[in-house]
Amino acid sequence: DQQVKQNSPSLSVQEGRISILNCDYTNSMFDYFLWYKKYPAEGPTFLISISSIKDKNEDGRFTVFLNKSAKHLSLHIVPSQPGDSAVYFCAASEGNANAGKSTFGDGTTLTVKP
Amino acid sequence: KAGVTQTPRYLIKTRGQQVTLSCSPISGHRSVSWYQQTPGQGLQFLFEYFSETQRNKGNFPGRFSGRQFSNSRSEMNVSTLELGDSALYLCASSLGGTGAEAFFGQGTRLTVV
Repeated sequence: DQQVKQNSPSLSVQEGRISILNCDYTNSMFDYFLWYKKYPAEGPTFLISISSIKDKNEDGRFTVFLNKSAKHLSLHIVPSQPGDSAVYFCAASEGNANAGKSTFGDGTTLTVKP
Repeated sequence: KAGVTQTPRYLIKTRGQQVTLSCSPISGHRSVSWYQQTPGQGLQFLFEYFSETQRNKGNFPGRFSGRQFSNSRSEMNVSTLELGDSALYLCASSLGGTGAEAFFGQGTRLTVV
């Protein structure tokens, strides 16, 4: 039973346009959600996070939206740049004691075309 | 500030052997988590150590074990290696609290032949 799902394995967008990456979860105990970006041959790097008490968090070109009732979150990148091309992972964790245990989705490969 | 260091970067082992991977977290970080990534898969959680104690454990067989030392450095051991253990093993360190950002190392690429 996969508790965090990224249903789109890949996404291709034109430079300057918006990229929207989606993530669904099933565990209602998740209370913290994170997005990571991964380039080939490197470990994931943290991008942005959101607590379950919020529905939106913004950091520069990156915005994460959380819809708790739908158990859905999305990452918006505006405007998209070629350097954003990478694999994006959605992750979720529950509670302070489980903070070090994140459940990851399978990732979405974003390609931004010049 | 030095990042998370994993050694070795690459490893080739024979089926049936055992292997030990090492992770040095960011200074001050008390939580170290280990993940396995196989081709086309997301990151599968192995276990997390916090202040030398295993705080969380994923759904992996007992062949996978780990430990954490007083300086927060962590080791992961896999015994009786199987071909399916070939993967990228990633270590992440964090301060350990809710919402604490995890910093990943570059990983150890293990190939079992």
